[in-house]
Amino acid sequence: GNSVTQMEGPVTLSEEAFLTINCTYTATGYPSLFWYVQYPGEGLQLLLKATKADDKGSNKGFEATYRKETTSFHLEKGSVQVSDSAVYFCALSLNSGGGADGLTFGKGTHLIIQP
Amino acid sequence: DGGITQSPKYLFRKEGQNVTLSCEQNLNHDAMYWYRQDPGQGLRLIYYSQIVNDFQKGDIAEGYSVSREKKESFPLTVTSAQKNPTAFYLCATATAWSTDTQYFGPGTRLTVL
Repeated sequence: GNSVTQMEGPVTLSEEAFLTINCTYTATGYPSLFWYVQYPGEGLQLLLKATKADDKGSNKGFEATYRKETTSFHLEKGSVQVSDSAVYFCALSLNSGGGADGLTFGKGTHLIIQP
Repeated sequence: DGGITQSPKYLFRKEGQNVTLSCEQNLNHDAMYWYRQDPGQGLRLIYYSQIVNDFQKGDIAEGYSVSREKKESFPLTVTSAQKNPTAFYLCATATAWSTDTQYFGPGTRLTVL
């Protein structure tokens, strides 16, 4: 079956540090890959996505590159801020305009940025 | 102002009672989804619907039921058959041509006493 594995948290960093959150996946086809962010008490917001191998998704200073050879989609940011503190979810979808059977999520990584 | 509304934000029920969670959207999206979030377990898909009057079971549908009588609405009923109903429930929507990109509501936290 399909699955997503991401590093367990919490991950605690100082402001302006470099961030990497690892994500690897297993899928029976060619998935689209996503990073979602959840702030305390809220729903999820799409942060970035990539739909094919070697694509790079980017938003708000965050980046992730779809690596088919290593089945990975690691999230990076060069200089984190306190406001980046949240839970980050890696996810995959095998829908490509056809079926609509939902996303498969990792368990989430809690990121804490200290001033 | 377009968006997804889930109400209420917090819901308390006694064990053995059925409870219905609301999800309304004015984004004109065709597909709607219900997920359950538990601490340390990420999100798991309960039910989804691609069009009105049609819906499919997700990975953990037992103890839940849904309806899709209108495009804008996809209510979820948590029945007494659901063994561990206390959780954070998230509704999401997607367009028909881009169902891999989902938009989430703010969620409802259900606590069964």
